[in-house]
Amino acid sequence: AQSVTQLDSQVPVFEEAPVELRCNYSSSVSVYLFWYVQYPNQGLQLLLKYLSGSTLVKGINGFEAEFNKSQTSFHLRKPSVHISDTAEYFCAVKVGRTSGSRLTFGEGTQLTVNP
Amino acid sequence: DTGVSQDPRHKITKRGQNVTFRCDPISEHNRLYWYRQTLGQGPEFLTYFQNEAQLEKSRLLSDRFSAERPKGSFSTLEIQRTEQGDSAMYLCASSLQFPRNTIYFGEGSWLTVV
Repeated sequence: AQSVTQLDSQVPVFEEAPVELRCNYSSSVSVYLFWYVQYPNQGLQLLLKYLSGSTLVKGINGFEAEFNKSQTSFHLRKPSVHISDTAEYFCAVKVGRTSGSRLTFGEGTQLTVNP
Repeated sequence: DTGVSQDPRHKITKRGQNVTFRCDPISEHNRLYWYRQTLGQGPEFLTYFQNEAQLEKSRLLSDRFSAERPKGSFSTLEIQRTEQGDSAMYLCASSLQFPRNTIYFGEGSWLTVV
């Protein structure tokens, strides 16, 4: 069974600083990878996804992520964060065709941007 | 596009009561999903429909849980004989063919069992 590990439960940063949220997955077969953001009392919004092709994926709000197959990682980065980026971020994986349409989520990383 | 709608947004119920949540997906989305999210955790897959057919169910979906999508449009999730452990946010989502197309989530229905 696939699993997703988000290595940091909380990441505090100052405004305009760069940030990296780390995600590792376990799977020996092809995967599709996703990052979602959740603001308080709201549902999840897709930031970006990797299905195939270029390993560097650009998403909304200036976020990007790099798929590293050898390290089974999909870390999320932003070069300069804003106060409004404060939210919970979830990494998720879908494994090939064997898992149907289910997404497996990590436990989340709370990003707090301080002034 | 009005997004995925869920109702009610919050529900407080006594242990042992039945509750039902409704989800209206984005129109023309043939796939509909239910997830459960507890505090401090990521969402966990419960079940999904393609049109009116329930194609996949998680082991988390015990016999007390039942989901329907009778006409391939809105869906209901019923929990019978609620337990305190059922307290969570129940998220509905919809999509066209996945993973090529995005899964869009609703704002969730919070359930508190007292």
